[in-house]
Amino acid sequence: DAKTTQPPSMDCAEGRAANLPCNHSTISGNEYVYWYRQIHSQGPQYIIHGLKNNETNEMASLIITEDRKSSTLILPHATLRDTAVYYCIVRVAWMRTGTASKLTFGTGTRLQVTL
Amino acid sequence: DSGVTQTPKHLITATGQRVTLRCSPRSGDLSVYWYQQSLDQGLQFLIQYYNGEERAKGNILERFSAQQFPDLHSELNLSSLELGDSALYFCASTEDSGNNEQFFGPGTRLTVL
Repeated sequence: DAKTTQPPSMDCAEGRAANLPCNHSTISGNEYVYWYRQIHSQGPQYIIHGLKNNETNEMASLIITEDRKSSTLILPHATLRDTAVYYCIVRVAWMRTGTASKLTFGTGTRLQVTL
Repeated sequence: DSGVTQTPKHLITATGQRVTLRCSPRSGDLSVYWYQQSLDQGLQFLIQYYNGEERAKGNILERFSAQQFPDLHSELNLSSLELGDSALYFCASTEDSGNNEQFFGPGTRLTVL
């Protein structure tokens, strides 16, 4: 799986958009970008994933550059409950039954949302 | 609530001992993954099972072993425990489809004294 680079920490004011960047310059054509977060010592939680198009769900938006070498996770209106460590993970695509692969976590970005 | 359960929540034991951590995946999920999170190593993949068979191995020590049973629950066995084995151990399961999302349990916090 490709390696990712994220800033170690970021701050965001509550109610503002949080934009978390990730570099994955060695990503391969069959690899997706996944984002997970871990609130305190809870189990990591899936946020969103994408291949090359921008994606949006009820939690966040994912913007992937055209060359796919970097991406940005956007939390449109951050709240205090979004304070967590956010992990950007590059991972091979699921091909068929039994091929779901592991997650390789880096050090992530510690997002602190403040009043 | 992810639907993945892990027991026990906390475990305190002594060096040299052996413990078993248990994981019940979400209903219908065939793949189970074990991860270890320690302060110095971060979140690391240990091992994956799919429908009872070992599918992938990560940085799992020889003192550690796992299995997945016919009812799909999984157990992680840690033996000859050392102080450095103190960590959070997470289990995750996946529905093994195109989304490939992993659902994590709440973890077991192991403290080795």
